[in-house]
Amino acid sequence: DAGVIQSPRHEVTEMGQEVTLRCKPISGHNSLFWYRQTMMRGLELLIYFNNNVPIDDSGMPEDRFSAKMPNASFSTLKIQPSEPRDSAVYFCASSLTTRVAGGPSQKFLQTDTQYFGPGTRLTVL
Amino acid sequence: GESVGLHLPTLSVQEGDNSIINCAYSNSASDYFIWYKQESGKGPQFIIDIRSNMDKRQGQRVTVLLNKTVKHLSLQIAATQPGDSAVYFCAENISSGGSYIPTFGRGTSLIVHP
Repeated sequence: DAGVIQSPRHEVTEMGQEVTLRCKPISGHNSLFWYRQTMMRGLELLIYFNNNVPIDDSGMPEDRFSAKMPNASFSTLKIQPSEPRDSAVYFCASSLTTRVAGGPSQKFLQTDTQYFGPGTRLTVL
Repeated sequence: GESVGLHLPTLSVQEGDNSIINCAYSNSASDYFIWYKQESGKGPQFIIDIRSNMDKRQGQRVTVLLNKTVKHLSLQIAATQPGDSAVYFCAENISSGGSYIPTFGRGTSLIVHP
């Protein structure tokens, strides 16, 4: 198993440029997560998808950030325009998520172990 | 005041000693907890997990203890080795918009001296 694959591993760009980060989740996993890690804020969840549908994007910093998952084996995180404060390591993770009962008429998504990619180190000058 | 940086708690141990890394979680309704290890330049890696119906779970050289009364989680590493040097994160599954997703703590840096 190749694990979660991310590209590029390193990206250096200038302020104002568009940046696209890519992720290939583990085959068979149905949830995909994008995280950002900085020394100041630690590991932050940006957005996550279940069955290619965005479930929670409340962690996306602002409109400059967008994420897509066109199919089960590919996702992108785009920053346009990029700013120096976007410099961080961006991780993609995938997992298997099941539906569990949360009450008489409720179903919740239960995510188990996440498997992380190696990350993309982004530097915006 | 405003944070000027992320100062991770640090645990320094000698090779061969046992290590205990602690984590306080926030949500009494959380029912699933995971420990991750992150080595320099790599993504977090799953170590061990535990569900709320258990107090203890053992893996290879690692043990996780869960105290739901005080919302405390610990990771014990037996016979710590230099390769165990890393940042360790605990994560709890928290309900968010109808989903239970992992929420990560700040992490603890473990330094193992040969």
